[in-house]
Amino acid sequence: AQSVTQLGSHVSVSEGALVLLRCNYSSSVPPYLFWYVQYPNQGLQLLLKYTSAATLVKGINGFEAEFKKSETSFHLTKPSAHMSDAAEYFCAVSAYGGSQGNLIFGKGTKLSVKP
Amino acid sequence: DVKVTQSSRYLVKRTGEKVFLECVQDMDHENMFWYRQDPGLGLRLIYFSYDVKMKEKGDIPEGYSVSREKKERFSLILESASTNQTSMYLCAARGRVGEKLFFGSGTQLSVL
Repeated sequence: AQSVTQLGSHVSVSEGALVLLRCNYSSSVPPYLFWYVQYPNQGLQLLLKYTSAATLVKGINGFEAEFKKSETSFHLTKPSAHMSDAAEYFCAVSAYGGSQGNLIFGKGTKLSVKP
Repeated sequence: DVKVTQSSRYLVKRTGEKVFLECVQDMDHENMFWYRQDPGLGLRLIYFSYDVKMKEKGDIPEGYSVSREKKERFSLILESASTNQTSMYLCAARGRVGEKLFFGSGTQLSVL
């Protein structure tokens, strides 16, 4: 069975500062890993995904995430926060080769960016 | 990109009413999903469908049912709405396993 833990329900950074959102997963088989972002009053959209091709994954809007099998982590980073990055971020895991590959979502981390 | 459209952005219903939430996708994706989103709980899977007339329970199916008569349309039904079903409901569609989910904008349902 798969599970996802996002550390910190709220993260606040200053504009221009490093963004680090933490995600740890549990999976008995090689996983697919995803980060989604939800802007206010919108559905979720994909930021990036890991599918075993490369451990460092680059996504949209300058975000990237590194898959670390030994730490079972898939933390999301961005070198310099922008005001427009304020949103809620969800990490998700899916079983590689699972029957329907349903995504299991973390509880989300709300990112605030201070001017 | 796939477009997923949910028929209502906001919905207010009374306790005991039968409620239909509609979702339509404009691509030929086999897999469709209904999630419920609550603050601090993230997204929880209610039901999913991997083909027409096929459905599977997710993690929290109690009090809900679904219908998929056509490939592009996936409906969520609250047989008798209760106040604890007040929530944001998100529909999603996906192609093969490992591909990304495309989400609708959500329906904020309030049951009074």
